[in-house]
Amino acid sequence: AQSVTQLDSHVSVSEGTPVLLRCNYSSSYSPSLFWYVQHPNKGLQLLLKYTSAATLVKGINGFEAEFKKSETSFHLTKPSAHMSDAAEYFCVVSERRDDKIIFGKGTRLHILP
Amino acid sequence: EPEVTQTPSHQVTQMGQEVILRCVPISNHLYFYWYRQILGQKVEFLVSFYNNEISEKSEIFDDQFSVERPDGSNFTLKIRSTKLEDSAMYFCASSEIPGVGTEAFFGQGTRLTVV
Repeated sequence: AQSVTQLDSHVSVSEGTPVLLRCNYSSSYSPSLFWYVQHPNKGLQLLLKYTSAATLVKGINGFEAEFKKSETSFHLTKPSAHMSDAAEYFCVVSERRDDKIIFGKGTRLHILP
Repeated sequence: EPEVTQTPSHQVTQMGQEVILRCVPISNHLYFYWYRQILGQKVEFLVSFYNNEISEKSEIFDDQFSVERPDGSNFTLKIRSTKLEDSAMYFCASSEIPGVGTEAFFGQGTRLTVV
């Protein structure tokens, strides 16, 4: 069965410093992996997705994620945080054989001025 | 850009009442989903729907819940007799057939408050 673990429920970084949001997954088959962002009182927006074409995936707003099969990880990074990045971030996994996608518990990113 | 739309954005209902949450998925999508997010908790899978029938459902999706695609465009979630613990944000999503890299597109959500 597929599952996803977000290791930090809250992350705080100063504006202009790097961001690292950690995600580990468990999957019996080749998974699809996604990061979604949810700003306060907003819906869920796709940041980026891993589709097996490239292990380093670039998304919107300067975010990237690297798929590491040996570590079963899909961590989200950004070189320099901006105040507008403050939001909840969800790592999501799906498998082709399953008719559902599974969310991690989310990581709330706080940006300090 | 096509998007998933949900109505209403906020619904307040009395305990024991029936509610219907409405969603219009992206027109060429074939899979439809409902998720919920209780305040401060994770986003939880409720149900997926394909070819006019439930494809998969979670243990949360009990007999009080039902889904329907009544007219080929709307996708509804009905809660027959609401409980206080049904208060949550409900997200509808749609996708093409699940596959490598097939993402789900989410609506803005309906905040359900049961009083």
